[in-house]
Order: sequence, then C-alpha cells, then structure tokens
Amino acid sequence: DQQVKQNSPSLSVQEGRISILNCDYTNSMFDYFLWYKKYPAEGPTFLISISSIKDKNEDGRFTVFLNKSAKHLSLHIVPSQPGDSAVYFCAASDNGGATNKLIFGTGTLLAIQP
Amino acid sequence: DAEITQSPRHKITETGRQVTLACHQTWNHNNMFWYRQDLGHGLRLIHYSYGVQDTNKGEVSDGYSVSRSNTEDLPLTLESAASSQTSVYFCASSESSGLADTDTQYFGPGTRLTVL
Repeated sequence: DQQVKQNSPSLSVQEGRISILNCDYTNSMFDYFLWYKKYPAEGPTFLISISSIKDKNEDGRFTVFLNKSAKHLSLHIVPSQPGDSAVYFCAASDNGGATNKLIFGTGTLLAIQP
Repeated sequence: DAEITQSPRHKITETGRQVTLACHQTWNHNNMFWYRQDLGHGLRLIHYSYGVQDTNKGEVSDGYSVSRSNTEDLPLTLESAASSQTSVYFCASSESSGLADTDTQYFGPGTRLTVL
C-alpha cells in the first residue's frame, strides 16, 4: 500500500514557466514532508521541506505548499530552468524526529523544454 | 567537507554469490539507511540503523543484512544474490537530535548492481 503517491510519472514544462509537482499521502500521522531532486547516476539531494504546522515554505525559486485536510502537497518551481530537469521525489516522516524514517513516493520526471 | 561515499559504484555478480556494498559517512550521523531504487517503486527502505550495534529491518529486507560496528560505516550484504536484486542501491544518513527537521537524509551517489 503506497502511503506517499506521486501520480504523474512525468511532466514537461517550457523554460521560464511554472512547474508544479504534486504529491498525495494517506497517513494522517505524517508531520514532516520533504522534496528531493535526483539527477541520473547521482544520489538524491535534499531540496526543500515543510513541517505540518505550516502550509507554505519558500526557498528561492522553490515553494512547497501543504494542504493537510486534503493530504496533499505540491512543489512549485518558478521560473523553471533547464537545470531543473531531474526526477523529483516526495517523502514523508511520521512521529517527528523519533524515527527519522522517510517514506518516498515513486518520483516524477520533470523535463524543462527550451 | 563531510560526505557519504559508496563503493563500488558498479557491480556485476552471479546468482547465488554473496555481495557486500560499502557505505561510509563522515557526517558523524547516528542514523544510516539503505534503499533500493526501482522503476515504478521509487526508493524503498531495506535496513536502517540508529547507532552502533543497532540494526532494523525496513520494507524490503528479505535477502539482505547489515551490521554496524562503528558510526561511519553500514555495509549491506546480499547473502545469496538473486536476479530480483538487480537494482540501484543508495545509502543515506541523518542526525538524531529528536527534532523533526533532522529527518533530512543525505544520500550517497549509489551503487548499480546487476545480478546475472
């Protein structure tokens, strides 16, 4: 049973436009959410995170929105750049820092078109 | 600079052989994790450790084992490699201060394992 779902395996966006990546979760105990970015032949790298006590977190071109009632979070990238082309993984954690375990989604391949 | 390394980066082995993948981190993190990445499944947790002498099974632990004899290393052993274990393996580490934001894990570059 997939507790963290990324229903779009791939997404194509024109350079300069906004990229919106979506993630849904089923476990209401999740209280911390992260986005990771992964280039081919490299390990995932941490991008941005959000605690369940917030509904928005922003870092430069990247903003994560959390809708707890809908159990949905999204990553907005604006403006999109060619270097943003990568696989993006959504991840969630429960019980705060007590377990430090992350549950990952299946990933979304983002392609930025020139 | 602190880092996390994995070796080898690529490995080809035969069915039935024992294989060990190395993971070494210089972050001085207590928590270490092993994942496998497969198309359509994302990253799935194999084993994890919260400190020296501590090991725990993850979601897909069958056929794998780990041992933690020091803070820096968490080797992953495939006892008898199977074709279903062909995958890309990632090691990760994180702090354990008890705060939610320490859930951020830092990943190694991965090991691509092929079992023939």
